This record gives sequence, C-alpha cells and structure tokens, in this order.
Amino acid sequence: GAVVSQHPSRVICKSGTSVKIECRSLDFQATTMFWYRQFPKQSLMLMATSNEGSKATYEQGVEKDKFLINHASLTLSTLTVTSAHPEDSSFYICSASRWKYNSPLHFGNGTRLTVT
Amino acid sequence: AQKITQTQPGMFVQEKEAVTLDCTYDTSDPSYGLFWYKQPSSGEMIFLIYQGSYDQQNATEGRYSLNFQKARKSANLVISASQLGDSAMYFCAMREGLETSGSRLTFGEGTQLTVNP
Repeated sequence: GAVVSQHPSRVICKSGTSVKIECRSLDFQATTMFWYRQFPKQSLMLMATSNEGSKATYEQGVEKDKFLINHASLTLSTLTVTSAHPEDSSFYICSASRWKYNSPLHFGNGTRLTVT
Repeated sequence: AQKITQTQPGMFVQEKEAVTLDCTYDTSDPSYGLFWYKQPSSGEMIFLIYQGSYDQQNATEGRYSLNFQKARKSANLVISASQLGDSAMYFCAMREGLETSGSRLTFGEGTQLTVNP
C-alpha cells in the first residue's frame, strides 16, 4: 500500500532556531501534499497545500513566512518552521494522495515539535 | 458553518460489543467523499473506510461499516465486536471537489473511543 514517510518523528529545539520537517511519498508520485497541525486532544487543522513546482497555498491565519513549504519533487515536500517559539510547539503531520478521487489521504507518522 | 460535525467527544463500549460513532456533514458539492480515520495515542492516522457520494451501497471493511444516509447527510461509523485495541481517537473527514488529487480533507472534532474489558 501507499506509504508516506515523515521525519523527524520528534524534535526539540531552542527558541529562535529553525526546524525542517520532511515528508516523502515512498511508492507513488504526489503532485499535492497537505500539511496539518494538531494541538493535544484537538482535530487536525490544515495549514497549507503544497503543490509540486509551485508556491504553496496557505490557509487563512497561517503565516507563510514562518512556515516555509517547499515541494521540490513529486515525492518530497518540506515544512520549515522558522524562528520557532514555544507557541509553535505542536504535532505536525503531512499527507499525500494519489490522483484517484476516492483515494484516501495517506499520512506520515507526524512530527512532535517542542520549542524550549 | 462546520462542514463535519462529530457530536460525541467521548464514547465507551464493552469489549466484543458494537459501537456507532456519529458524523454529519454539510456540503453543496454533489461529488464528495467521506472518510474515517483512527488515531491511536502514538499519533499516526490510520485510514479505515471510504464512502463516495455516488456509492449506492454502504461501505464495509472488515469490522468497520459506514451507515451512509445521504438525505440526512450522515455517515456514521459502526465498529462491530469491539476490541481493546480499538481504543483511540476517531475522525470523520470529507473531501469535496473530487476531480483532482488537490482537494483537501476537512476533519471533524473527533470522538475518543474507549473499549472496556
């Protein structure tokens, strides 16, 4: 089955530093990937839609200069949290889909970011 | 307005019994898909079942079935013969605009299911 790999699974960084999270589709090409954020005991909130070869589409209220998304190839999208602050601590999870309309989004295992 | 509504923040069920998790949705798009995901405490999102808006029959996948009532805009998940490993957060999600892979998934708030021995 389709597999999406996300790294790292857990990261602790100091306030003011930047963190890069990678999302790879391992056995299919994904022209579109999605980045979600999840706070404890809450639902997944879409941050942005990552399109291969073009700029990401950000949801309202998401700072595009803070959350940099690069979709350099059909199998790789990256999310960089720039100048991280403690309020950026959260669970970030990426997803990708095949082209078929009834294909589920396949999710990475998520990245738990803690900013100290 | 909320597109996906899950009205049960928490549900409890005895092992081996069946449980229904509620989900209602709102869309004006005639083409849409409904998904259920399971999220254990470890955080990964596990796809369970899919129902398309044009599907005539209710979807089933092993112990999971989807009670799809299109006129009422509901897509309840039924888990039969509950197991302890079913304890997790369950999310209902909808995908509109099915023409491309670029259509997003919108999630409900989730239902925390606890299976008691």
